[in-house]
Amino acid sequence: DAGITQSPRYKITETGRQVTLMCHQTWSHSYMFWYRQDLGHGLRLIYYSAAADITDKGEVPDGYVVSRSKTENFPLTLESATRSQTSVYFCASTENSNEKLFFGSGTQLSVL
Amino acid sequence: LAKTTQPISMDSYEGQEVNITCSHNNIATNDYITWYQQFPSQGPRFIIQGYKTKVTNEVASLFIPADRKSSTLSLPRVSLSDTAVYYCLVGDGGSGTYKYIFGTGTRLKVLA
Repeated sequence: DAGITQSPRYKITETGRQVTLMCHQTWSHSYMFWYRQDLGHGLRLIYYSAAADITDKGEVPDGYVVSRSKTENFPLTLESATRSQTSVYFCASTENSNEKLFFGSGTQLSVL
Repeated sequence: LAKTTQPISMDSYEGQEVNITCSHNNIATNDYITWYQQFPSQGPRFIIQGYKTKVTNEVASLFIPADRKSSTLSLPRVSLSDTAVYYCLVGDGGSGTYKYIFGTGTRLKVLA
């Protein structure tokens, strides 16, 4: 959906570098999520946020940092990228508790 | 947390009805059951959602028995373009955390 956008679409970086993936939604949804999807596998929750300035860990938070200073933005930072963080990252949002998530198009990250 | 179990893969032929079952034995009282479709290189897309009994929309039906410990996504008369991965998502287990964990998904391949 055009209402949630991720950038960049593709990113190549080297081990040890800091990388920030951006996520922006125009609906003012309260809840936002970051998932990673490794090749041929399912989605794993990294972090989620219930509102601005409220974030919490998901299944696989190690090596990642998030912030949510504004409702519409939820950036994900890899402070020191590792090869195991090579993956496709999806951002999602929802307004209420009915689990109808809206996903972005994803960022394909390669760590060399 | 409500954990889901689905078949890893299924094959079908064009024009057939496909039923994909998801088990969620520890679903919480307030949890909805939501199904998503994911094509390669895209984020998951909402298909259908239900709480109990049967729900139908223009693309699928969702059957939920009285005990709600499982659900079945029914795709009528599939076509090649229905080849995708299908995920069922079941709430946050009543924790109120919005910690939505996806299962492994079912990889559906539609054959000509």
